[in-house]
Amino acid sequence: EAGVTQFPSHSVIEKGQTVTLRCDPISGHDNLYWYRRVMGKEIKFLLHFVKESKQDESGMPNNRFLAERTGGTYSTLKVQPAELEDSGVYFCASSQAGSSGNTIYFGEGSWLTVV
Amino acid sequence: AQSVTQLGSHVSVSEGALVLLRCNYSSSVPPYLFWYVQYPNQGLQLLLKYTSAATLVKGINGFEAEFKKSETSFHLTKPSAHMSDAAEYFCAVSEGQAGTALIFGKGTTLSVSS
Repeated sequence: EAGVTQFPSHSVIEKGQTVTLRCDPISGHDNLYWYRRVMGKEIKFLLHFVKESKQDESGMPNNRFLAERTGGTYSTLKVQPAELEDSGVYFCASSQAGSSGNTIYFGEGSWLTVV
Repeated sequence: AQSVTQLGSHVSVSEGALVLLRCNYSSSVPPYLFWYVQYPNQGLQLLLKYTSAATLVKGINGFEAEFKKSETSFHLTKPSAHMSDAAEYFCAVSEGQAGTALIFGKGTTLSVSS
């Protein structure tokens, strides 16, 4: 079974440009999460989808970030326009619906560098 | 509000020595607790999780952790370190409701010397 896959694995863009990160969760997982780790800081929650609906987007830093999950399958996270402080690794994760304590599986991350 | 504190951003041990990585949590409800590991240039991999069953949890690669409610701790241990254990380790907590997002600690980098 395929795990959580993320694309691109690495991206270098200039300040002011736009970047779109994609995440394909494990098949059948209704829960999809985005997290971010800025250099030297802890891993921070960004938002949580249940199927196509945003369950919690309290961690989104500002309106330059837009997440979508059309059809409840894959998700995209767009940063527009990118700023220097957006550099870091963006993790996507997924889990099954239902029981508490379900394991949340992480992808390998998309490493974003804004120059 | 939930929080996680990992004591020590860096831990160094010799190969064969005991590994102890400390994690304390704060939660207003019975928590679910997790340890994840990140090897260089890789994603986060689940080591083990506590979900209110046995308080001593065994994970992959010989790691285990003990949930101690009285101490609000969930320390990670391994009896004998291997060079391949060098990585960054993250403790995380969730409220336990289905689908609740994880709150992570700042991570502890483990170095293993020969």
